[in-house]
Parts: sequence; structure tokens; C-alpha cells
Amino acid sequence: SQQGEEDPQALSIQEGENATMNCSYKTSINNLQWYRQNSGRGLVHLILIRSNEREKHSGRLRVTLDTSKKSSSLLITASRAADTASYFCANGPGAQKLVFGQGTRLTINP
Amino acid sequence: DTGVSQDPRHKITKRGQNVTFRCDPISEHNRLYWYRQTLGQGPEFLTYFQNEAQLEKSRLLSDRFSAERPKGSFSTLEIQRTEQGDSAMYLCASSLSGGRGYNEQFFGPGTRLTVL
Repeated sequence: SQQGEEDPQALSIQEGENATMNCSYKTSINNLQWYRQNSGRGLVHLILIRSNEREKHSGRLRVTLDTSKKSSSLLITASRAADTASYFCANGPGAQKLVFGQGTRLTINP
Repeated sequence: DTGVSQDPRHKITKRGQNVTFRCDPISEHNRLYWYRQTLGQGPEFLTYFQNEAQLEKSRLLSDRFSAERPKGSFSTLEIQRTEQGDSAMYLCASSLSGGRGYNEQFFGPGTRLTVL
């Protein structure tokens, strides 16, 4: 399987704390993307980082990419209850299909 | 709503029956993708179209599965002789091909299939 792995599989934190999720992948990539999936809803694109970038920010999100280690991390700062969701990394080996990891289930406790 | 839409949202069928799902992409998007997601797993790629041409199919897409995009707009995914193992969420996504070598895919809400 080309699917990567997210770590941890589940994460539970208090509202206001930061959440960090890691993703490892197996093949060379063109880019790496992070998606969020709320219960019963579709996947929402959060952020894309290209293979020649090392760090990217978007609002409370910070993504890093280490192509030498084939890994990426997603940091959500100042978490909110609405951040409760599953988070997936997906790599695009080309410009077509995405290869998703198994996801991290994040729970934000009030 | 100008996002990706899928119909139906839920489908319950008996083993051996045929089912068909529809996906309407964002209107200006020329690429359309189908993924399958089982409980606790990430989506797995099934197939994708650029305009009306089906350019790639996964090994997951057995001969019981067929997808079409006849006019380069909406797409249908048909599963013949359904099996219990086909129970999953079927996700459709669309994107606009560009020259940067990457594409942001916009996903629909999915069709949840339950095969009894």
C-alpha cells in the first residue's frame, strides 16, 4: 500500500491547547495536503505544502514538511471545540490522485 | 450551493443488487475523482476523469464497478452484484487542472452504501 500513516491515531486535548499530528509517507511526492473530516461530512481541504517548501502557515494552522524523512506535521494552535474532527494527510505523487493516510481523530474537550 | 454534490446520500441495498451513484462536480472543474472510505480508514482512490476521459483506475475497481462521465460534467459510479464488502462511503471530488503540477480537490459529502 502506498498509504502513509498518521500519528497518533487518536488525540484528546483541552480547549485552548495546541494539537500536533504527524504524517509519514512512502513514495516521493509532488505536494502534501492536509484535510479535515467532521462526523458525517465530507473532506475539507486545509492546507497544501509543496515538495520544495519546508513550512507553511494558514491562520491557526502550521504545517512542516521534511522530504528527507518523508514526514509532515500539522500543528493547530489555540484549539477550539469546532476543531474536533479527523485529520488526514494526503500526498500527491503526481497531479492526479491523492494517497491518504489513515487519519488522526482529534477530540477537543471543553 | 456551488460545491460538489452527490446523490443519494445514503443507500441500503441487498447483496446481489446493482446500485448507481451520481456526482455533480463544481461546474468549471475538468477533473473528477472517485474514492472509497471504510470506517476508521482514509479514502482510497478508485478512478479519475479528465473531462470525459477516464485516465486511471485503481486495482480496487473490480470488474463489478464501472464509472462514466459521458459529457465531461456529472459522473456515475455503478456497482453490479453488490457484496457486503462494498459497504463503504463513496466520495467524489473535483478539481481544476493547472500548470503547477498540483491540484486542490474539493470533496462532496459522500454516498454511504450499506449492503445487507
